[in-house]
Amino acid sequence: QSVVTQPPSASGTPGQRVTISCSGRSSNIGSHYVYWYQHLPGTAPKLLIYNNNQRPSGVPDRFSGSKSGTSASLAISGLRSEDEADYYCAVWDDRLLGHVFGTGTAVTVL
Amino acid sequence: EVQLVESGGGLVQPGGSLRLSCAASGFTFSIYDFHWVRQATGKGLEWVSSIGTTGDTYYLGSVRGRFIISREDAKNSVYLQMNSLTAEDTALYHCVRARDGLNYWGQGTLVTVAS
Repeated sequence: QSVVTQPPSASGTPGQRVTISCSGRSSNIGSHYVYWYQHLPGTAPKLLIYNNNQRPSGVPDRFSGSKSGTSASLAISGLRSEDEADYYCAVWDDRLLGHVFGTGTAVTVL
Repeated sequence: EVQLVESGGGLVQPGGSLRLSCAASGFTFSIYDFHWVRQATGKGLEWVSSIGTTGDTYYLGSVRGRFIISREDAKNSVYLQMNSLTAEDTALYHCVRARDGLNYWGQGTLVTVAS
């Protein structure tokens, strides 16, 4: 059972905005940067957001990240069919002395 | 072109050992941290271990004392020695390069622990 939790699923129609939450503790999200990853079936995961809200080059600006207190969120605006994937937040945890992935959210484009 | 190629996975009996290797190319190996991340079938991503540029290491609690991560900069390689394996270690193991996040992932090598 991960110490960082996400809703198991989220969905939207093409063009809509979808938001995924990531809830943690003071020892992880409350103290450290949050990262977001996209995992399409059969492929290697891809870094979407680093340092809470920064996008690596090549990641569309439809993806945005934010953090407040012990929670973070990923927003996908202008939802597209190719966004259908699993999304994970990740963060360092001071109590576990290791990195932790969130429980993951499966995004479905209706 | 950045490449991370894992090898060393396979079928092993409970209590056995495996050594995973990750061969890197296409970038300056020595300036990056490296991680191993695994995913069991039908489960989410699970961070396993990391090693920094100065050799500092960190481990998931359930593997601490059983797994050892190491790096050999001269060979552009990262390793994960896995001992006392259990069925719960069965997963696809990815080698991952890290700087400002886990920014490049290998395709993974499959480890199956079964009798």
